[in-house]
Amino acid sequence: ETGVTQTPRHLVMGMTNKKSLKCEQHLGHNAMYWYKQSAKKPLELMFVYSLEERVENNSVPSRFSPECPNSSHLFLHLHTLQPEDSALYLCASSQDRGDRHTGELFFGEGSRLTVL
Amino acid sequence: GQNIDQPTEMTATEGAIVQINCTYQTSGFNGLFWYQQHAGEAPTFLSYNVLDGLEEKGRFSSFLSRSKGYSYLLLKELQMKDSASYLCAVTDSNYQLIWGAGTKLIIKP
Repeated sequence: ETGVTQTPRHLVMGMTNKKSLKCEQHLGHNAMYWYKQSAKKPLELMFVYSLEERVENNSVPSRFSPECPNSSHLFLHLHTLQPEDSALYLCASSQDRGDRHTGELFFGEGSRLTVL
Repeated sequence: GQNIDQPTEMTATEGAIVQINCTYQTSGFNGLFWYQQHAGEAPTFLSYNVLDGLEEKGRFSSFLSRSKGYSYLLLKELQMKDSASYLCAVTDSNYQLIWGAGTKLIIKP
């Protein structure tokens, strides 16, 4: 496989469920990101990991919990979500430091989340 | 606050030319990116401008004027496959990436 892959592509969950989104990058990059994409809104940066250390957390509710076990894998653990959390969650990677964007981002195709 | 403005939606005809504008107000500037995102797919990098002027890449060109806080993406010889959303993003003085909401481009035969 090449590029950035995300699973699952679609997820429907109730507000009391616990689920996880997975991202894997095969590009040898240093930094990985979680973004939230809602219709007609700018991309919202949620978390940034640079060399497996979290370097940014943009005031994201604690019901979202990231995990980066190594430089190729990134998870987003979800629990007790709200309907307004329904959105497309995009994972991305880059070769720069992560906290300083100096180059292009490589995105996965996203996980479409629906919270009932 | 920091802000990126681009039109929500545009329509153009196959074979024609379309210009998608992006204006920005950010604390400093360290570069401007354009990404393309087809429905249900990942955003993909199109262009990067850091100096004033026009950067041409095949049918696509991107222009930057730092003094005016303005960029545009020019698409020539439009094809149906160019129907997508186009995202403008600016890197500010702290190298943080600020995103616009995207422009949905609809191509009609």
